[in-house]
Order: sequence, then structure tokens, then C-alpha cells
Amino acid sequence: EPEVTQTPSHQVTQMGQEVILRCVPISNHLYFYWYRQILGQKVEFLVSFYNNEISEKSEIFDDQFSVERPDGSNFTLKIRSTKLEDSAMYFCASSAPSGPRNEQFFGPGTRLTVL
Amino acid sequence: QKEVEQDPGPLSVPEGAIVSLNCTYSNSAFQYFMWYRQYSRKGPELLMYTYSSGNKEDGRFTAQVDKSSKYISLFIRDSQPSDSATYLCAMSVGSGGGADGLTFGKGTHLIIQP
Repeated sequence: EPEVTQTPSHQVTQMGQEVILRCVPISNHLYFYWYRQILGQKVEFLVSFYNNEISEKSEIFDDQFSVERPDGSNFTLKIRSTKLEDSAMYFCASSAPSGPRNEQFFGPGTRLTVL
Repeated sequence: QKEVEQDPGPLSVPEGAIVSLNCTYSNSAFQYFMWYRQYSRKGPELLMYTYSSGNKEDGRFTAQVDKSSKYISLFIRDSQPSDSATYLCAMSVGSGGGADGLTFGKGTHLIIQP
């Protein structure tokens, strides 16, 4: 069964450093998403991406964040200058919507720890 | 306003019991309602996907949506220890042609006692 994959599973970085989280969405999917989950809190939407551009973004997705689809398979989230409060699980998701119906399938997540 | 409320539990029931999990929401524009299951330190796994009000059944799982009350439920019949996980409700407006981000509840931690 096709699935979303994410690398690395765990990333440790120093405050102020740049990190890139990587995702390989399900191959025939067209929409891609990033979410984060701070420990003990809700899963929160960050951004959606379609046709090589951002479709929707939340208030969390500020200028420190960027997304890219550098080739036909990868989808990345970059955090330019990490802060302690960026420590969280980051989930990538993808979907192949049929009209407004939009079932999103999630990857296993990358745990980001900012020291 | 995009707010979804869900009792975090834990909810502990004996094996074989019927489990009822619920969420309430405030945004009447939500039209698409999902239930995800999340095991510890794993990604959310989609269980059920429903549109507007009504019921949907899939095996031991039944999802109900009551838009007039802004209330959704997930029922699990013949619960098994392997059902022990955190259950997340999620919803979307559906106006973005597929680009909508999901709004999640905090999740209910369910424990099925053997």
C-alpha cells in the first residue's frame, strides 16, 4: 500500500540553525501539506501546496518557513533560523482530491528538537 | 473561528465494549469530518471520512455527524486491545478545492483493557 515517507525520523539542531525536513508524498497525489504537533498539543496545519505554489497557510507559517518541491517526488519544509519553540513533530501529508473531497494521508513524522 | 473541542481522556473500557468518542465544533462552515487514529509517536492514520450530516459505517467503526448540533461521534464496536490509541477528530470547510488545511481536536486517549 502506498504511503507517505519522511526523513529524518529525528533531527536535533541548535537554536538559530537552518533545518530542512523531507517528505516523499504518495506518487499520484497532487496536494501536499505540512502540519506540526507540539508535545501534548493539537496537530496544527502549517501550509498546503499545489501546482508548485502555496495554496493556503496558517498564521504559524511565517517568514521563517518555506516549502519547496525540488523534483518530481520530494516535498520539503525549511525552517531558516530555528527557535526553541519550533521543537515539535512535523507531519507531511498528501491527498488526491476528487472535487472538494479531500482525504489526507499522513507520514510518520519528523521529531525536531531545538537546543 | 476554527475551534474543535475533544475530551482528552483517558477513556478506559473493557475489551468487547462499545466505545463512543465525540467532538464539538464552533465553525458552521465545516462540511468534511474525519477521524484519525494515532499511536504513540506515529503519524495520524485516517479511519473515517464523512461529508455533511449522517452516518457512515466501516466494519466495527461508525461515524456520525450532526451539523445542527455541531457534534460528531465515532463508535467502535467489539473493542479490542489493539484499538488502544489516541483518536483525533479533524474537519475542513472544503472551499479550497482540495487545499484546505484540517482543523484537529486535541485527541482522546483510549485504553482497551484485556
